[in-house]
Amino acid sequence: AQSVTQLGSHVSVSEGALVLLRCNYSSSVPPYLFWYVQYPNQGLQLLLKYTSAATLVKGINGFEAEFKKSETSFHLTKPSAHMSDAAEYFCAVSRPLSNFGNEKLTFGTGTRLTIIP
Amino acid sequence: SAVISQKPSRDICQRGTSLTIQCQVDSQVTMMFWYRQQPGQSLTLIATANQGSEATYESGFVIDKFPISRPNLTFSTLTVSNMSPEDSSIYLCSVGLRGETYEQYFGPGTRLTVT
Repeated sequence: AQSVTQLGSHVSVSEGALVLLRCNYSSSVPPYLFWYVQYPNQGLQLLLKYTSAATLVKGINGFEAEFKKSETSFHLTKPSAHMSDAAEYFCAVSRPLSNFGNEKLTFGTGTRLTIIP
Repeated sequence: SAVISQKPSRDICQRGTSLTIQCQVDSQVTMMFWYRQQPGQSLTLIATANQGSEATYESGFVIDKFPISRPNLTFSTLTVSNMSPEDSSIYLCSVGLRGETYEQYFGPGTRLTVT
């Protein structure tokens, strides 16, 4: 079975400061990993994904994440926080299938990011 | 990518009644998923709905409570039956797109309150 653990249900950073949201995964096979963002009263939007290509993945809105197999981690970072980054962030894992796409997504519990002016 | 719409966007229902949520996609997709997000919680997969086959339900979810239809490649419905206050959640549909990589895209969700 696959799982993800997000450390810190709430993270607060000052505007302009580094954003670091932590995600560790557990998988018996090389995984696909995703970060999604959910703004208030909205659905989920894909920020970025890792699918066994480059280990440093760049996404939208200036976010990036690095896949570290030795640490089983896929932490999300942004060099400079903006007020508009305030949202809920979810890390998710799935397992590639040989014949089609990948299996279902398993989500972490989420991290609520607050930006301090 | 895919554009996904859901109806209704929100509803308040009385216990014991049923609500059908619609999910419409702007392109043909094979795999559609239904998730539940309880207040302050993460997403939990209810079932996978592939066109032309019965939906596959996750542990803890049963067809009698959450019947799903998938009549074509752009549309699906989820019914929440015999509702109780514990069913108050956001229900989201998503679609899986296979291309260079594999991604899931989510609808805006349906916010359900059961009184």
